[in-house]
Amino acid sequence: DTTVKQNPRYKLARVGKPVNLICSQTMNHDTMYWYQKKPNQAPKLLLFYYDKILNREADTFEKFQSSRPNNSFCSLYIGSAGLEYSAMYLCASSDWGGETLYFGSGTRLTVL
Amino acid sequence: GDSVTQKQGQVTLSEDDFLFINCTYSTTTYPTLLWYVQYLGQGPQLLLKVTTANNKGISRGFEATYDKGTTSFHLQKASVQESDSAVYFCALVENNYAQGLTFGLGTRVSVFP
Repeated sequence: DTTVKQNPRYKLARVGKPVNLICSQTMNHDTMYWYQKKPNQAPKLLLFYYDKILNREADTFEKFQSSRPNNSFCSLYIGSAGLEYSAMYLCASSDWGGETLYFGSGTRLTVL
Repeated sequence: GDSVTQKQGQVTLSEDDFLFINCTYSTTTYPTLLWYVQYLGQGPQLLLKVTTANNKGISRGFEATYDKGTTSFHLQKASVQESDSAVYFCALVENNYAQGLTFGLGTRVSVFP
């Protein structure tokens, strides 16, 4: 079963409010990723977990938090949403060193 | 840093047409080059990969050839079907995997019967 699930599919948030997106995978992959996709832009890596070690990209370091309480589950947390956070958020998982990332269907976040 | 360039934002074809999507890259390492496809309502999924060792990747009728001289790995398919309508992303991953995948902008391919 090559399944990565993301909830919710659509999320509406108010400016200044927190947002929490969740992702789960059933493949026992050691690495989980969060990408941000905006229209007419390439998917952008925000952060990834290798096992329990979190790696955040330098330019988004202060904007996003994440947790991985167990191997199957990973969340993306925005402490105070701004309009610029409106985007599709894609979660993915893989074995470390694998080129095949398995993506979920994404959560479309709209900040008003 | 690494970069991947797809200049074609959208391609519109009829069934049985030839598909060609241009992709070039820039990196200081010896990357693995990948094509991902995203169908409507789904996340991206790996279509094929090309390494500097094998030079060519083939999957589901799609083909990509690595050209070190032009730092390109264009995607092509001889005869597209309506079911090939999707967004195609080229991407690369460094051999140390420390940076995840670097994606291109994506090319939306629409195939009409």
